[in-house]
Amino acid sequence: SQELEQSPQSLIVQEGKNLTINCTSSKTLYGLYWYKQKYGEGLIFLMMLQKGGEEKSHEKITAKLDEKKQQSSLHITASQPSHAGIYLCGAPPTSYGKLTFGQGTILTVHP
Amino acid sequence: NAGVTQTPKFQVLKTGQSMTLQCAQDMNHEYMSWYRQDPGMGLRLIHYSVGAGITDQGEVPNGYNVSRSTTEDFPLRLLSAAPSQTSVYFCASSYSNTGANVLTFGAGSRLTVL
Repeated sequence: SQELEQSPQSLIVQEGKNLTINCTSSKTLYGLYWYKQKYGEGLIFLMMLQKGGEEKSHEKITAKLDEKKQQSSLHITASQPSHAGIYLCGAPPTSYGKLTFGQGTILTVHP
Repeated sequence: NAGVTQTPKFQVLKTGQSMTLQCAQDMNHEYMSWYRQDPGMGLRLIHYSVGAGITDQGEVPNGYNVSRSTTEDFPLRLLSAAPSQTSVYFCASSYSNTGANVLTFGAGSRLTVL
């Protein structure tokens, strides 16, 4: 089965700093989702990448998909306290119904 | 448009008790699923359904039952709760489970089993 490994597991940054979260797959990636979760809340969809080399941006968050490396990266520019939360990557099902998620990266942004 | 609604948000059970976590969606999604979230382990799929009357097991199905009698509802049943089932449970739905479909998540149900 496909596994997704996120790094780092947790990240503490000062407001205004840039940061990157990586998601590495054990198998070929045919696409990737990024979600954000605030404590006590559900997961909010950020963006979906569907092909190698694709890059998408949402406000100050940019995600890229590198199929050859079986990896996706999520980059936040000029972080703000509102960016704090848990970021999870997810891979579309390789078999019927089994969407796979990484273990999550906990981001803390100090004002 | 409410999206995915989960109830209850919090629940405390004693070992051996039973309960049902409710999940309802109003988006006419065919695919519904239940995940549990534990520290350091991300989201693990418990059960899923690709339509009314059709369910299947996910990664960690033991101790849980599901049914899908309508398109809108997908309850998760714990028949005899155990402390290992202490977790945060998320229900999610999407139009389909194949191809590029975005899951919409509920707000979660935090369960503690004593």
